[in-house]
Amino acid sequence: DGGITQSPKYLFRKEGQNVTLSCEQNLNHDAMYWYRQDPGQGLRLIYYSQIVNDFQKGDIAEGYSVSREKKESFPLTVTSAQKNPTAFYLCASSYVGRGAFFGQGTRLTVV
Amino acid sequence: AQSVTQLDSQVPVFEEAPVELRCNYSSSVSVYLFWYVQYPNQGLQLLLKYLSGSTLVKGINGFEAEFNKSQTSFHLRKPSVHISDTAEYFCAAPRGNQFYFGTGTSLTVIP
Repeated sequence: DGGITQSPKYLFRKEGQNVTLSCEQNLNHDAMYWYRQDPGQGLRLIYYSQIVNDFQKGDIAEGYSVSREKKESFPLTVTSAQKNPTAFYLCASSYVGRGAFFGQGTRLTVV
Repeated sequence: AQSVTQLDSQVPVFEEAPVELRCNYSSSVSVYLFWYVQYPNQGLQLLLKYLSGSTLVKGINGFEAEFNKSQTSFHLRKPSVHISDTAEYFCAAPRGNQFYFGTGTSLTVIP
């Protein structure tokens, strides 16, 4: 079945560590997105990519990095520079300008 | 300016009553409009979308929405809600290469 897969579902990070969240899609979509969701704040765009080897910062890119080496994959690294990383992270993919399909999310907690 | 505005952050409604969740969009976004539903600790699921054609759009789970260009609105409706409809609902629209979401409406169905 076609879809978008995020892993892991739950992730714990110690202070000062970098962690990488995985996002894979087999929908042949060109565009992929990473969002952060905090209670009461809706979804905020971290990074997005329209094509392989190209990506752009969203509204809250500081402390995050991404890569797009393959069309199917768009991993997100939460670096130690991100001071408040505890949140629910959602990956999505779409044809440009059309509806986005979402993964099931990764809940990141700093311990 | 906010691209997509959801006017109600919380909507309580009794079971089997009708409900309307409001969404207004700005002229800066395209007229592709979407509604998503999110259940706790899950990703977003597409409820319905308006791309063109008939202004009344029917989606999954008995929901429908009407695109109103003169009022720049895309309100979501259901004639009779169930307990299982309790969730967070997001209105969304693309703008350029990005995809913007409203801040969400928490629908609580009261038995």
